[in-house]
Amino acid sequence: QSVLTQSPSVSGAPGQRVTISCTGTSANIGAGYDVHWYQQLPGTAPKVVIYGNTYRPSGVPDRFSGSKSGTSAFLAITGLQAEDEADYYCQSYDSSLSAYVFGSGTKVTVL
Amino acid sequence: QVQLVQSGAEVKKPGASVKVSCKASGYTFTSYYVHWVRQAPGQGLEWMGTINPSGGATNYAQKFQGRVTLTRDTSTTTVYMEMRSLRSEDTAVYFCARVDYYDSGSSFYFDYWGQGTLVTVSS
Repeated sequence: QSVLTQSPSVSGAPGQRVTISCTGTSANIGAGYDVHWYQQLPGTAPKVVIYGNTYRPSGVPDRFSGSKSGTSAFLAITGLQAEDEADYYCQSYDSSLSAYVFGSGTKVTVL
Repeated sequence: QVQLVQSGAEVKKPGASVKVSCKASGYTFTSYYVHWVRQAPGQGLEWMGTINPSGGATNYAQKFQGRVTLTRDTSTTTVYMEMRSLRSEDTAVYFCARVDYYDSGSSFYFDYWGQGTLVTVSS
């Protein structure tokens, strides 16, 4: 079981907006630790799309945005495109485990 | 450009050991921690541990403490992950990942990843 909980899948038509949630506890997200989001295409290594809750690395389209509230974090993709179809993982730090933790992953399907 | 290039796929029998390498290039090797993350087939990402290439200090997830050893060779800018007493549940793709710092260096995320090394444990 992953420490951070994500919904298994989300889908949307091209151009639509989808939101992925990442729910933690008072030992990780709720403790103030930052959340980062990674996109993983099939057979490839993960790639960061959001770091520090809300920051977007250079080269990542501004269709991707992140937010955080309480013990949850969110990744939004607006203007969904076919190339956004991938698995997305949130990641943070857990003080009770003294470990870096990942979410269970969310598969984004573009209809 | 920053690159992390990992060694090739391995097939091991239960009880054996495996050592995966991760050769770094394109940046100052001793300035950035390297972490290891694994992914079992069809599963999510699991953090294993980290090494400071500067002094060699390590930190492991409790699950891997005592069974995994991270080392580095500064002369070849290579980080190694060795896992002992392999079992079938260790079949996974193993990634090395470099960190990048922000917030005046107090925080980091994984910015560059190796291509992954598939380790298959089967009798």
